Amino acid sequence: DTAVSQTPKYLVTQMGNDKSIKCEQNLGHDTMYWYKQDSKKFLKIMFSYNNKELIINETVPNRFSPKSPDKAHLNLHINSLELGDSAVYFCASSQDRTGRGYTFGSGTRLTVV
Amino acid sequence: DQQVKQNSPSLSVQEGRISILNCDYTNSMFDYFLWYKKYPAEGPTFLISISSIKDKNEDGRFTVFLNKSAKHLSLHIVPSQPGDSAVYFCAAYSSGGSYIPTFGRGTSLIVHP
Repeated sequence: DTAVSQTPKYLVTQMGNDKSIKCEQNLGHDTMYWYKQDSKKFLKIMFSYNNKELIINETVPNRFSPKSPDKAHLNLHINSLELGDSAVYFCASSQDRTGRGYTFGSGTRLTVV
Repeated sequence: DQQVKQNSPSLSVQEGRISILNCDYTNSMFDYFLWYKKYPAEGPTFLISISSIKDKNEDGRFTVFLNKSAKHLSLHIVPSQPGDSAVYFCAAYSSGGSYIPTFGRGTSLIVHP
């Protein structure tokens, strides 16, 4: 019974397309996140939501738009995809905002061609 | 600007021996530190943490040491097992800030039987 599930696991798409990545957690956590792992392997925060409310929005192009329909879901929509968007995107959740003990999804590998 | 640095991209250890993974940080505001472990095609999983009021935290075979004056922490695994082979991420955050951890780029540990 997966705690944080992301779909799809792999996504190959052409430049200029719009795509979405879905994330769901069944842990009852209040806070959810999107992280990007770039080619240099750094995990960088993109967004954080607490109880459906956006609390963190790092310097991310506005082509990226998170949507949280409820506390258990945080989807990531990306418009006009660019080659540089190729990366692994991880969704995560935590019980609160303290930054301790995140539960991560298994990642979505996005390849833009 | 890498605020959390893991300067060794990889480490190879014999089964039964000690594995020592190192992490340095530059932000003196960081007061909480975490280690995550990641297997291929999976998301990182929380392993162990330490707050700046301590200099050591132990959990079974895993011990984290914190040297605040040197802005350095290390993860010791004793004894190392082949199942410990994974990428280990160091992370840190400031409880007076956003609570969002800043991650290093990871160290790949290989434990040989």
